[in-house]
Amino acid sequence: DAGVIQSPRHEVTEMGQEVTLRCKPISGHDYLFWYRQTMMRGLELLIYFNNNVPIDDSGMPEDRFSAKMPNASFSTLKIQPSEPRDSAVYFCASSFGRPGYTFGSGTRLTVV
Amino acid sequence: AQKITQTQPGMFVQEKEAVTLDCTYDTSDPSYGLFWYKQPSSGEMIFLIYQGSYDQQNATEGRYSLNFQKARKSANLVISASQLGDSAMYFCAMSPHTGNQFYFGTGTSLTVIP
Repeated sequence: DAGVIQSPRHEVTEMGQEVTLRCKPISGHDYLFWYRQTMMRGLELLIYFNNNVPIDDSGMPEDRFSAKMPNASFSTLKIQPSEPRDSAVYFCASSFGRPGYTFGSGTRLTVV
Repeated sequence: AQKITQTQPGMFVQEKEAVTLDCTYDTSDPSYGLFWYKQPSSGEMIFLIYQGSYDQQNATEGRYSLNFQKARKSANLVISASQLGDSAMYFCAMSPHTGNQFYFGTGTSLTVIP
């Protein structure tokens, strides 16, 4: 089991650029979550999917953020245009039943 | 509303000693799960232990145990025989069984002193 795979591990981009974060959940998991972690706000749920369908996107901060899950093995989180305040670690996690999520290693995004 | 409170921003423990990390929660859901995650300096989130709200016994996983006191709405993590590799951030989380969303506390930074 390869776990939840996120790419890239680190991303540095200039303000205004488009950023795409990628996630491959564990095979067979039917839930996928995107979280953002910052020192100020801790871990925040951005959006989650069940069977590839977005269930709750109330945590998505602005229209600049969008997430897709075109199939059971792939999801993207896109920020367009990026801003310095988007700098954070973005985690993808997947689950099937309980207990617990399995998190990916995260993508550390720096917007300069 | 769901809320997780971790009141200890930082803790120190001597190697080989036991340490308790505090977590209290607030929920109106009758059924829920409580979780602890470890985040070492490398950044990944590692699942440690799970306790269901209707479980009669406290959960244990190796050196980790969860001291669950339902009436007090507390779910403290106990790490026995601390090791240097236990130095990390520890997050308490809760998930109501009616949904799949997790609510995380702000974390406790644990440092194990040799």
